[in-house]
Amino acid sequence: GIQVEQSPPDLILQEGANSTLRCNFSDSVNNLQWFHQNPWGQLINLFYIPSGTKQNGRLSATTVATERYSLLYISSSQTTDSGVYFCAARNQGGKLIFGQGTELSVKP
Amino acid sequence: DAGVIQSPRHEVTEMGQEVTLRCKPISGHNSLFWYRQTMMRGLELLIYFNNNVPIDDSGMPEDRFSAKMPNASFSTLKIQPSEPRDSAVYFCASSPLKGETYEQYFGPGTRLTVT
Repeated sequence: GIQVEQSPPDLILQEGANSTLRCNFSDSVNNLQWFHQNPWGQLINLFYIPSGTKQNGRLSATTVATERYSLLYISSSQTTDSGVYFCAARNQGGKLIFGQGTELSVKP
Repeated sequence: DAGVIQSPRHEVTEMGQEVTLRCKPISGHNSLFWYRQTMMRGLELLIYFNNNVPIDDSGMPEDRFSAKMPNASFSTLKIQPSEPRDSAVYFCASSPLKGETYEQYFGPGTRLTVT
């Protein structure tokens, strides 16, 4: 099955800083999603982005399917951005496989 | 829309007891997924249904686990008998259409503790 690797595993930011989270996957994908798991454990959909670029407020994501990676950009980070960010990918006929996540802590 | 609904939100039970977790998918979605999240194994798919039919249950850890979807608006995940190693957060997710390429939406999860 597809392998999904995220980096970095942990990230500490000062409020207002920008960051880039990376997701590498081992095969072509027809489904790639970014999630934010908040401190209460809720999984919140950020982006459904098997290819191309999308933006939603301070967050944006880019997937370069031919090079098998996706990036999540967080600009002007806020303390409410803290939590774990997951990338999940699926190839044809496979399961949605989650990476191990990037744990983000934004300090005031 | 109310989103994916799961119950109970928390369950504490003793080893050997039967546990039933419940899920109501988003109305109109016809794919439903059960996931388990642990510190050791992260998020892993247990089973998924398309149009109420189980498609892939290869992630179900053992025969103690079973899942049903009697209709389009309800699914259960049952563990009988439960063991301490089953302690985890169990998520239900749903997706429109066939769920193979479409976005999945997650419920709030059920935190299960087996003592």
